[in-house]
Amino acid sequence: GENVEQHPSTLSVQEGDSAVIKCTYSDSASNYFPWYKQELGKGPQLIIDIRSNVGEKKDQRIAVTLNKTAKHFSLHITETQPEDSAVYFCAASREGSGYSTLTFGKGTMLLVSP
Amino acid sequence: EAGVVQSPRYKIIEKKQPVAFWCNPISGHNTLYWYRQNLGQGPELLIRYENEEAVDDSQLPKDRFSAERLKGVDSTLKIQPAELGDSAVYLCASSSQGAPGNTIYFGEGSWLTVV
Repeated sequence: GENVEQHPSTLSVQEGDSAVIKCTYSDSASNYFPWYKQELGKGPQLIIDIRSNVGEKKDQRIAVTLNKTAKHFSLHITETQPEDSAVYFCAASREGSGYSTLTFGKGTMLLVSP
Repeated sequence: EAGVVQSPRYKIIEKKQPVAFWCNPISGHNTLYWYRQNLGQGPELLIRYENEEAVDDSQLPKDRFSAERLKGVDSTLKIQPAELGDSAVYLCASSSQGAPGNTIYFGEGSWLTVV
């Protein structure tokens, strides 16, 4: 089955700095890679996703990059704000033929200090 | 639009007691998932339903866990008897088969503590 490794496990930045979280996956057939943000006491919330037919996707201060050859994808947050503090999870799955459900990484706790 | 609704939000029980969690998915979503999230870990799939049918329950500990999704809408996850190691957050999620990709929407979770 799929195995998703995520690092770092914790990340502390100053407000306004950039934050990068990296994930690797093992199943070369995986083609869908979402990122979830989980605030304390709440369920994970989808913030951005990318499919294997593109290398990069941006949404305001958030971007995700994908390197299919290396089986590696990353989340980039620019101009971080205290409200970005949360646990972030990457995940991977197969859409379409050979569909598989999401396999999650272990999460990164991001702390943005004012 | 209402999100995924779960109850109860918090439950403390003694070991060997039964417990049940309820989930109401987003209206129109025919795929429903139960995940378990241990402290400091990512969610792990327990069971996935397509309408009423459990299509992936390979990670569900069937000796003590059971789930049902009557009429293809609400779902219940039961643990009987509970063990100390079952302490976790139980997340329900749903998605629409017709939605782009595999977008899964999570509820806020049911926090279980077994003492």
